[in-house]
Amino acid sequence: AQTVTQSQPEMSVQEAETVTLSCTYDTSESNYYLFWYKQPPSRQMILVIRQEAYKQQNATENRFSVNFQKAAKSFSLKISDSQLGDTAMYFCAFMKWAGNTPLVFGKGTRLSVIA
Amino acid sequence: DAGVIQSPRHEVTEMGQEVTLRCKPISGHNSLFWYRQTMMRGLELLIYFNNNVPIDDSGMPEDRFSAKMPNASFSTLKIQPSEPRDSAVYFCASSFSGGSTEAFFGQGTRLTVV
Repeated sequence: AQTVTQSQPEMSVQEAETVTLSCTYDTSESNYYLFWYKQPPSRQMILVIRQEAYKQQNATENRFSVNFQKAAKSFSLKISDSQLGDTAMYFCAFMKWAGNTPLVFGKGTRLSVIA
Repeated sequence: DAGVIQSPRHEVTEMGQEVTLRCKPISGHNSLFWYRQTMMRGLELLIYFNNNVPIDDSGMPEDRFSAKMPNASFSTLKIQPSEPRDSAVYFCASSFSGGSTEAFFGQGTRLTVV
């Protein structure tokens, strides 16, 4: 079974600064997907970024980028130029390559962006 | 597309009552997932369907929980009888196997059992 661990229950960052959220996972699969989801106070789950395990290049989406270390089974999220709207819970998630299989979530990191 | 639609958004019920949560997936999606979110356990999978067929219900807590997907555009999660420990946010999500693999989530139903 796959497990996802987020070791930072809470973090805070000053507006315009950079913050990195950590995630490690355990799997015996050789190919898979990794995701970061954002959950603001509205409760909506929003996909932030996706990484395919076979790709060596780290995914980026505007201010969001990941550091994917496959051998170490590590998948951290970096948020640059933090904005107040980035305040939310962030969940790291794993999905098998087969597709149409469930996401396995970490417990989440609550990020507060401070003005 | 309107996205994944869940109803109701909030439900307050008394212990022992039957509760039915509803989900309409995105049109064309062929997988549907039910998750439960609590402070203690985080987001956990309850059950998922592929092409309307239940694939894995090992996350369903006990026999009080049941889920159905009678057609590609509708699913229900029923709790009977409800208990205070069932209080949580219940999410429905859908995805398409031939697409980007992204799971799209509904707004969730916040269930409170008193």
